[in-house]
Amino acid sequence: AQSVTQLDSQVPVFEEAPVELRCNYSSSVSVYLFWYVQYPNQGLQLLLKYLSGSTLVKGINGFEAEFNKSQTSFHLRKPSVHISDTAEYFCAVSGIYNQGGKLIFGQGTELSVKP
Amino acid sequence: GAVVSQHPSRVICKSGTSVKIECRSLDFQATTMFWYRQFPKQSLMLMATSNEGSKATYEQGVEKDKFLINHASLTLSTLTVTSAHPEDSSFYICSATETADTQYFGPGTRLTVL
Repeated sequence: AQSVTQLDSQVPVFEEAPVELRCNYSSSVSVYLFWYVQYPNQGLQLLLKYLSGSTLVKGINGFEAEFNKSQTSFHLRKPSVHISDTAEYFCAVSGIYNQGGKLIFGQGTELSVKP
Repeated sequence: GAVVSQHPSRVICKSGTSVKIECRSLDFQATTMFWYRQFPKQSLMLMATSNEGSKATYEQGVEKDKFLINHASLTLSTLTVTSAHPEDSSFYICSATETADTQYFGPGTRLTVL
């Protein structure tokens, strides 16, 4: 079984500042890792994913994340945020042998970018 | 690519009526579709997993007779909330996967039961 912990429920930050959204996971098997973004009253949009290979993953909108197996972390970063990045961010994990790719989500982190 | 649509985006119904929500993969064939429920300011709760041509697999605590799922084709799954009550009001989101590694999500359906 897997579990995901997003360490911060809310992250306020000023525009053009860097941001890191933290995600730790627990699993007894190898995993795939994902970050999704949700804007108000919308579904989830895939930001980036780690399946294998390079541990530094680049995604859309200037976001990147680094898979750290020893620390079981997959933190999301952006060097300079915009007002439009204000949204809810979800980290998710699935066991690579899970039939159908069932996802386990973290509790979400609300990123609020202020001018 | 990898676009998933949901219809309707918003529905208001009276208590006791049934509501059907459609989930379609527009540019790929979805081997598996998932249905989630999301309460305000909370994460997604997986309700069920559906595979084309077979019965859906429901998560523990989800009433299968209440939430009927039909996966009629590789591009369409439907969720029917039967005899809806106010406590069924929620945001319902579907996702679809072509390969087992990545889910693509629909825009969600806001259900309000009066």
